[in-house]
Amino acid sequence: IQLTQSPSSLSASVGDRVTITCRASQGISSYLAWYQQKPGRAPKLLIFAASTLQSGVPSRFSGSGSGTEFTLTIRSLQPEDFATYYCQQLKSYPLTFGGGTKVEI
Amino acid sequence: EVQLLESGGGLVQPGGSLTLSCAASGFTFSNYAMAWVRQAPGKGLEWVSIKSGRDVTTKYADSVKGRFTISRDNSKNTLYLQMNSLRAEDTAIYYCAKLEPQCLGAFDVWGLGTMVTVSS
Repeated sequence: IQLTQSPSSLSASVGDRVTITCRASQGISSYLAWYQQKPGRAPKLLIFAASTLQSGVPSRFSGSGSGTEFTLTIRSLQPEDFATYYCQQLKSYPLTFGGGTKVEI
Repeated sequence: EVQLLESGGGLVQPGGSLTLSCAASGFTFSNYAMAWVRQAPGKGLEWVSIKSGRDVTTKYADSVKGRFTISRDNSKNTLYLQMNSLRAEDTAIYYCAKLEPQCLGAFDVWGLGTMVTVSS
């Protein structure tokens, strides 16, 4: 299952609303997770089951979608949110990741 | 505190072998499936392999099948990745990660990673 993220990068300002899209090449129900990765750091789980916020993740992050189209939204971008975001499908092997979306200032 | 700590990375020549380890603490290791994920320099994440908690299920990415072997020692709370016939394209940071069934199998805990460089 291929995952296509768009855009591959975006420029935004603090306070902006940001939306990242992840499209699956076939239906994956809600078996999708979103991760945040900062430079030199390991990825961090933000959202699982397409829309469930992982414990400790700020509520400005939200996820939606099912089947083949998913979105990650950051309601009001904060300085610490500048990072690269990846989607991952957990429906079937191989467990693929999207190509990533770099959110820059 | 739940922690994963990888070790064993380094510089190896093409065709060589290396074994990575991932020491787990803070949770009942044998109850959880574990995975390896790698990231080539400046590139995205690539899932490598997965091993279920009780050693029933083992899966590999096509890119490493037949060359890499995942294993675990539940008595030592340790996950391993034996890498043979290494190629330049295997150069990456290798992360181990814990799968959380309550997160539909998402990777809820990650190690810091260990760097593997394949070069002559």
